[in-house]
Amino acid sequence: ETGVTQTPRHLVMGMTNKKSLKCEQHLGHNAMYWYKQSAKKPLELMFVYSLEERVENNSVPSRFSPECPNSSHLFLHLHTLQPEDSALYLCASSQDSRANEQFFGPGTRLTVL
Amino acid sequence: AQKVTQAQTEISVVEKEDVTLDCVYETRDTTYYLFWYKQPPSGELVFLIRRNSFDEQNEISGRYSWNFQKSTSSFNFTITASQVVDSAVYFCALSESGNQFYFGTGTSLTVIP
Repeated sequence: ETGVTQTPRHLVMGMTNKKSLKCEQHLGHNAMYWYKQSAKKPLELMFVYSLEERVENNSVPSRFSPECPNSSHLFLHLHTLQPEDSALYLCASSQDSRANEQFFGPGTRLTVL
Repeated sequence: AQKVTQAQTEISVVEKEDVTLDCVYETRDTTYYLFWYKQPPSGELVFLIRRNSFDEQNEISGRYSWNFQKSTSSFNFTITASQVVDSAVYFCALSESGNQFYFGTGTSLTVIP
């Protein structure tokens, strides 16, 4: 595997379900990100991890819970989501800071029923 | 107010035409970085270019060129002799000091054969 991978690619869940999105980067980067991409809206930065520590949390509802066990893996745990949370969730990584370009995974298309 | 504005929502051009995608940004920082990304139908954002605020030289890479003008806070992207494979959504992004990273709403480019 190379680059940034995300699983699953598609996910359908009910509002009472609990699920997790997984991201893995094979680039040796130290920073990882979660973004939400909704139709007709700018990409929204949700969380930033640098060296496995969360450095940014952009007022994301607590029903989204990130986890970064090591610099190569990033999870987004989901519970009691709302239909408006349906979107494409993108993971990215970068070498060490915002000045560096981010490399994105293919995303997880989430649908909340 | 939007930090990054891409006023062109959708553009269609005929193959081999030149096309310019506009990007206007807003920041009070003296040190910042600007980016362009391409998102093809597959969904994965592909990094195209990074430019720091102290380097106003225009850049050319094959059929792609970028015009950075601090006086107008613009970072426009031109594709010369467009091809069908250029059809995608293009995002402009701004990174300021700290951990914030802002994307525009994107411009959807369709190149008609």
